[in-house]
Amino acid sequence: AQSVAQPEDQVNVAEGNPLTVKCTYSVSGNPYLFWYVQYPNRGLQFLLKYITGDNLVKGSYGFEAEFNKSQTSFHLKKPSALVSDSALYFCAVRDWDNDMRFGAGTRLTVKP
Amino acid sequence: DGGITQSPKYLFRKEGQNVTLSCEQNLNHDAMYWYRQDPGQGLRLIYYSQIVNDFQKGDIAEGYSVSREKKESFPLTVTSAQKNPTAFYLCASSIVGISGYTFGSGTRLTVV
Repeated sequence: AQSVAQPEDQVNVAEGNPLTVKCTYSVSGNPYLFWYVQYPNRGLQFLLKYITGDNLVKGSYGFEAEFNKSQTSFHLKKPSALVSDSALYFCAVRDWDNDMRFGAGTRLTVKP
Repeated sequence: DGGITQSPKYLFRKEGQNVTLSCEQNLNHDAMYWYRQDPGQGLRLIYYSQIVNDFQKGDIAEGYSVSREKKESFPLTVTSAQKNPTAFYLCASSIVGISGYTFGSGTRLTVV
């Protein structure tokens, strides 16, 4: 069975500092990995995905994620955080035959 | 513009009543999904459908029912058998395969 884990419920960073939101995954075949962001009382918005190719994936709003097969990780990163990045972030994994599985979410707070 | 629409945004239900949440998409996606979101628990899959007139139970289907009579529509009924229905409900759609999901903006259901 496929699954993802987000080990941190909450991440706090100061504006202008780099941010990392962690995600590890478990899947029997090739992993197809996604990051989504959710603002209050809204649906999830797609940020980026890894299907194949370069391990560093660039996405929306200056976010990027690094796929590490040996560590089964797909951490979300941004070089310089903005207050407007404060939101709930979800990592997700999917394989060809199955629906998408989401982590429990990490709440990112960027303080001015 | 293509997208996925959920209605209503807020819904109040008395105990013992059934209520139906609407989800419509004009993305020509084959697959549609319903998730329930509770604080700290991430997204849990209720039902999904990969083709018209067919649907499958997810992890927490008890107390819910769905139909898929049209490709564009996947309504969710929360029945009186659902013991704790107060939650945020998200509908999503995708092409079949390894693509990401497109989410609606959600319906917040409150039992009063």
